[in-house]
Amino acid sequence: QKEVEQDPGPLSVPEGAIVSLNCTYSNSAFQYFMWYRQYSRKGPELLMYTYSSGNKEDGRFTAQVDKSSKYISLFIRDSQPSDSATYLCAMSVAGGTSYGKLTFGQGTILTVHP
Amino acid sequence: NAGVTQTPKFQVLKTGQSMTLQCAQDMNHEYMSWYRQDPGMGLRLIHYSVGAGITDQGEVPNGYNVSRSTTEDFPLRLLSAAPSQTSVYFCASRARGRQETQYFGPGTRLLVL
Repeated sequence: QKEVEQDPGPLSVPEGAIVSLNCTYSNSAFQYFMWYRQYSRKGPELLMYTYSSGNKEDGRFTAQVDKSSKYISLFIRDSQPSDSATYLCAMSVAGGTSYGKLTFGQGTILTVHP
Repeated sequence: NAGVTQTPKFQVLKTGQSMTLQCAQDMNHEYMSWYRQDPGMGLRLIHYSVGAGITDQGEVPNGYNVSRSTTEDFPLRLLSAAPSQTSVYFCASRARGRQETQYFGPGTRLLVL
C-alpha cells in the first residue's frame, strides 16, 4: 500500500463548478501537507500548504486537513478553464534533522471546460 | 531570478549510455533534490543534498549518481542507462527551514531505447 493515495481521475467539470480533490495517507508522522499544481509539460508549483490540522483559504482555493481520518482535501470554488492541470498532494514529516522528503500522491488530472 | 533551471529539456539515449542531467538554482538554497515522475506513481525522490559537499540517497537511488560541489549546481548522472529510467526528471530546491516550499525546475524528459 502506498503511503499517500490520490484518485488519478481524470476529473472533468464545467466552468464555475466547485471541485473537490482528495488524498488519504497512512503515515501519522506527516505534519506538512501541500498541494502542487502542474500544467502540462511543466514542473510542479506550490499552490498551498498547511501545517498540522485545520483549514487554510487563499482566494478560490481552500485546503483542509483531517489528521484523525488521515485525509486531506483541496476545494476550488468558481473553477476556471485556467485551473485545468494536474493537482498533486504532497506530505512530509516536520523538521529536526529530517531532510523533509516530500511524499507525493499520484496526481489528479482536472479539466474545466467552458 | 531564473529560479531552478534544467538542461536538457529532452534527451534520447540508448541502453548502456551515460549522461548528466544539469540543474542550477540562483536562490542561494541550501537544499536541492532530484525526483522522477512516472505515470501512476507521482514523484519519487532519487537523491538529495543539504549543502555543498553533502548528498544522500532518496527512495529510488539505484543507477544514479550525484555530487554537489557548489551551492548553485546539483547534476544527476546516469551511469549506464536502462529503459526503466525512461521518465521525466525534476530538480527542486528549497531554503533551510522552509520544507513546505520547494521550487521545481521545468523538467527533463528522458527516453531510453
